[in-house]
Amino acid sequence: AQSVTQLDSHVSVSEGTPVLLRCNYSSSYSPSLFWYVQHPNKGLQLLLKYTSAATLVKGINGFEAEFKKSETSFHLTKPSAHMSDAAEYFCVVSDSGGGADGLTFGKGTHLIIQP
Amino acid sequence: EADIYQTPRYLVIGTGKKITLECSQTMGHDKMYWYQQDPGMELHLIHYSYGVNSTEKGDLSSESTVSRIRTEHFPLTLESARPSHTSQYLCASSLAGAETQYFGPGTRLLVL
Repeated sequence: AQSVTQLDSHVSVSEGTPVLLRCNYSSSYSPSLFWYVQHPNKGLQLLLKYTSAATLVKGINGFEAEFKKSETSFHLTKPSAHMSDAAEYFCVVSDSGGGADGLTFGKGTHLIIQP
Repeated sequence: EADIYQTPRYLVIGTGKKITLECSQTMGHDKMYWYQQDPGMELHLIHYSYGVNSTEKGDLSSESTVSRIRTEHFPLTLESARPSHTSQYLCASSLAGAETQYFGPGTRLLVL
């Protein structure tokens, strides 16, 4: 069985400061890991994904995440927050090789950007 | 943005009514999915399809039904809406064998 824990339900940072959204996972197999972002009244958009290649994954809009197997973590970071980054972020794990029921979503982290 | 569409975006309806939530994608994806998302909660898979004439139930039990008569279309139907069905419903699609799913904007359903 697989599971995802997003350690913070809300994160608030000032514009221009670094962002850290934390995610821990458990999986019986070599997992694939994703971060999705959901802006208000929009669908989920893929930010980045890890699929057993480089452990540091770069995504869109300056975000990146590092896969750390020893810590079972896949934290999302960005060096400098922008107001447009305010949204809900979901960490997702898959260990079924693309099977339809293979995605497990975290509960989400609401990112707030202070001006 | 991905080419996947959902209508209506918002729906307020009375108890006992039959409703159909529409989902269409123009990417030629074989696999399609329906998720239910309550406020502040994670997404739960309620239905999925491997292709035309294929429908499967997901992890979360749901009173809704789905059909897949055409590759691009995956509607979800509630025969008799109840207040417990109030939620956000998200549709997604992916290529066969691929894990990356592309999501529509969602339908927010309120049953009074």
